[in-house]
Amino acid sequence: KAGVTQTPRYLIKTRGQQVTLSCSPISGHRSVSWYQQTPGQGLQFLFEYFSETQRNKGNFPGRFSGRQFSNSRSEMNVSTLELGDSALYLCASRGTPKTSYEQYFGPGTRLTVT
Amino acid sequence: GENVEQHPSTLSVQEGDSAVIKCTYSDSASNYFPWYKQELGKGPQLIIDIRSNVGEKKDQRIAVTLNKTAKHFSLHITETQPEDSAVYFCAASRWDTGNQFYFGTGTSLTVIP
Repeated sequence: KAGVTQTPRYLIKTRGQQVTLSCSPISGHRSVSWYQQTPGQGLQFLFEYFSETQRNKGNFPGRFSGRQFSNSRSEMNVSTLELGDSALYLCASRGTPKTSYEQYFGPGTRLTVT
Repeated sequence: GENVEQHPSTLSVQEGDSAVIKCTYSDSASNYFPWYKQELGKGPQLIIDIRSNVGEKKDQRIAVTLNKTAKHFSLHITETQPEDSAVYFCAASRWDTGNQFYFGTGTSLTVIP
């Protein structure tokens, strides 16, 4: 079974621009979560989508948004990029309590804002 | 919400020795505790997990113990090898609901050959 995939793997953007990251979950998984990872802050939870609805939300500004499609693929958008948005963005998927509640991560997208 | 604390932040051991990483959680409703290993340039990899109806779980050289009363759980790695060098994260969640995962701040483990 294929794992969680994320595209692109690396991205360089300029301050003020916007960016869209994509995540394809493990087949059969309906939940997709997004995390921001920086050296000093560890894994910070952004939000989780389940069946196209945002189920949980972390403490990030409204510049960070996401959505999930009917095939469970998810996108995350960051508008008006700031230098502090430079980070590794991780996507993770999990099934349901009846199927598989373990959460599996993708390789991440490394975003650099200049 | 849940708060997960992880110690130590860095750990160095000699090859062949054991390593122990400890986490505490605050929400007694949490009932699922996974551990992740993150190697440089990669996403976190699930290495072992435990549910609250079990006190200990072992998989070859790694084991996790859970003390529900004290609200803490630990990762034990025996006979450490250089390839065990990585950052380890603990997390807490509820497997039976849609609650998010709450992560510890990570432990950087270095195994010295």
